[in-house]
Amino acid sequence: EVQLVESGGGLVQPGGSLRLSCAASGFTFSSYWMHWVRQAPGKGLVWVSRINSDGSSTSYADSVKGRFTISRDNAKNTLYLQMNSLRAEDTAVYYCAREGRDTRGSYYSFFVYWGQGTLVTVSS
Amino acid sequence: AIRMTQSPSSFSASTGDRVTITCRASQGISSYLAWYQQKPGKAPKLLIYAASTLQSGVPSRFSGSGSGTDFTLTISCLQSEDFATYYCQQYYSYPPLTFGGGTKVEIK
Repeated sequence: EVQLVESGGGLVQPGGSLRLSCAASGFTFSSYWMHWVRQAPGKGLVWVSRINSDGSSTSYADSVKGRFTISRDNAKNTLYLQMNSLRAEDTAVYYCAREGRDTRGSYYSFFVYWGQGTLVTVSS
Repeated sequence: AIRMTQSPSSFSASTGDRVTITCRASQGISSYLAWYQQKPGKAPKLLIYAASTLQSGVPSRFSGSGSGTDFTLTISCLQSEDFATYYCQQYYSYPPLTFGGGTKVEIK
């Protein structure tokens, strides 16, 4: 059974840092691109970042570029999101998500598997 | 960035109704569109990908159609468990991946 379990959320002051983790199990983690998606309280889903299967390529939403860093440890089956210079507008539930595969086995960036989410609150 | 616009943003319906939600992309995305259902406090659940392919385990009352810029999600016979918020997402071109603003389906 595929499982994604996030941790590391909490209350942090503006300008502070936090590192989120996403522990993966039930699939070959090193074969899949992984993503972070966030959702501010009462708002919609917003894509944050993605990393390719071996960690050599990353991309970010403009709103977090230069402040957030996505990384992965394939030996530990874990995805990370290092968040620096946090702002009030970064307050959200952060989900990790695994890319999907279609019926022919091709990989695409839609998400069948999501974690349960971890809440990050940026406030003084 | 490709903007995804859903309509309506919310509406009320009754059990047994046929409901349709629309998603429009600001530029052509072929069929690279997914639909999700989200209930309060839960992660989104994938319903449909490739615009019209039903994800395994999703009831057949859900269907998707469209290509290019205009897409629809249809629930043929609304059940009590279908009251939720629905999102579309394009995966044709990124960064950034983009979601629609959501459509909340409420009980009439």
